[in-house]
Amino acid sequence: NAGVTQTPKFQVLKTGQSMTLQCAQDMNHNSMYWYRQDPGMGLRLIYYSASEGTTDKGEVPNGYNVSRLNKREFSLRLESAAPSQTSVYFCASNRGYQETQYFGPGTRLLVL
Amino acid sequence: EDKVVQSPLSLVVHEGDTVTLNCSYEVTNFRSLLWYKQEKKAPTFLFMLTSSGIEKKSGRLSSILDKKELFSILNITATQTGDSAIYLCAVGGSNYKLTFGKGTLLTVNP
Repeated sequence: NAGVTQTPKFQVLKTGQSMTLQCAQDMNHNSMYWYRQDPGMGLRLIYYSASEGTTDKGEVPNGYNVSRLNKREFSLRLESAAPSQTSVYFCASNRGYQETQYFGPGTRLLVL
Repeated sequence: EDKVVQSPLSLVVHEGDTVTLNCSYEVTNFRSLLWYKQEKKAPTFLFMLTSSGIEKKSGRLSSILDKKELFSILNITATQTGDSAIYLCAVGGSNYKLTFGKGTLLTVNP
């Protein structure tokens, strides 16, 4: 089992460019999550998908969109990147309510 | 709004010392408290504490949950340089979301 995988590992964008961060899990988990981690801020939830076909906003959803493509895959899209979106992005998944979340290796994004 | 506060924010100790990391929380309809260790990359799961499991132990690491006083502690005994990491506390409430604290940066010097 690969667990939770993310692509790309690192990306540099110019302000205004768009990109999609990909996340996939092979643990047959129902729920998936996108977080961003900034120095001194801990992990903040962007969006989550409690089950296939549903998505909900987290704490910091502005400037992002998500797609739960199927049970395995959950993508995060930046339509028009801004320097404030420079961060490390983590995807996580779990079986569902009250279950431990397992994290991917992260994507480091730099927006110039 | 759910809230998790960790203390201290950073800590430097020598190998062999015992450390205690703190996590206090305010959350609607508490269901679980989780501890994660984060080294270079992704957070890795350590413990989950719930109403039915308020004390956990694994080797030199142990954790307790005080639901009345709304806090948890993570103890690490006989620290090693490999324990150097950020330790994250997260709390689950009435929905699927976890609320994370800012973390404690632990540095263990040889």
